[in-house]
Amino acid sequence: GIQVEQSPPDLILQEGANSTLRCNFSDSVNNLQWFHQNPWGQLINLFYIPSGTKQNGRLSATTVATERYSLLYISSSQTTDSGVYFCAASSGNTPLVFGKGTRLSVIA
Amino acid sequence: DTGVSQNPRHKITKRGQNVTFRCDPISEHNRLYWYRQTLGQGPEFLTYFQNEAQLEKSRLLSDRFSAERPKGSFSTLEIQRTEQGDSAMYLCAGTANTEAFFGQGTRLTVV
Repeated sequence: GIQVEQSPPDLILQEGANSTLRCNFSDSVNNLQWFHQNPWGQLINLFYIPSGTKQNGRLSATTVATERYSLLYISSSQTTDSGVYFCAASSGNTPLVFGKGTRLSVIA
Repeated sequence: DTGVSQNPRHKITKRGQNVTFRCDPISEHNRLYWYRQTLGQGPEFLTYFQNEAQLEKSRLLSDRFSAERPKGSFSTLEIQRTEQGDSAMYLCAGTANTEAFFGQGTRLTVV
């Protein structure tokens, strides 16, 4: 089945800095999602982005399906951005496969 | 609010007891997924339903685990004879064939 790898595993930023999180996947996909897991464990949808580029406020994401990667950009980071960011992908009708996540800590 | 509701939010049980979790997706979610997440890991797929039909089970789903989705609406996940290794966050997701939306999860602690 599809494999999803995320990098870096951990990231520490000063408030106001920008960051880029990467997600590599092993096969062509028809679903790719980015999530932020809050301290209570809920997965918050950030982007549904099997291809192309989307922006939502300080966050944006780009998926280059032909090269099998996706990037999540966080600009002007805030302490509330801290947490774990997951990328998940699937192909055909298969279930989403998650990466191991990137743990982001934003320091004031 | 994703529209997917899970109950209970927390469950503490003694080893050997049975537990049941419930997931209520929105009516448009024809597919429903169960995942398990342990500390420091990403969610791992357990099983999924297309309407009321259970279409796929992971190897993680031992014979102590059973899931149902009667009438294609809510779903239950039961764990029989719980073990300490079952301690985890259990997540449910619903989808109308595109974007998946997750519930708040049920955190199980087996003591």
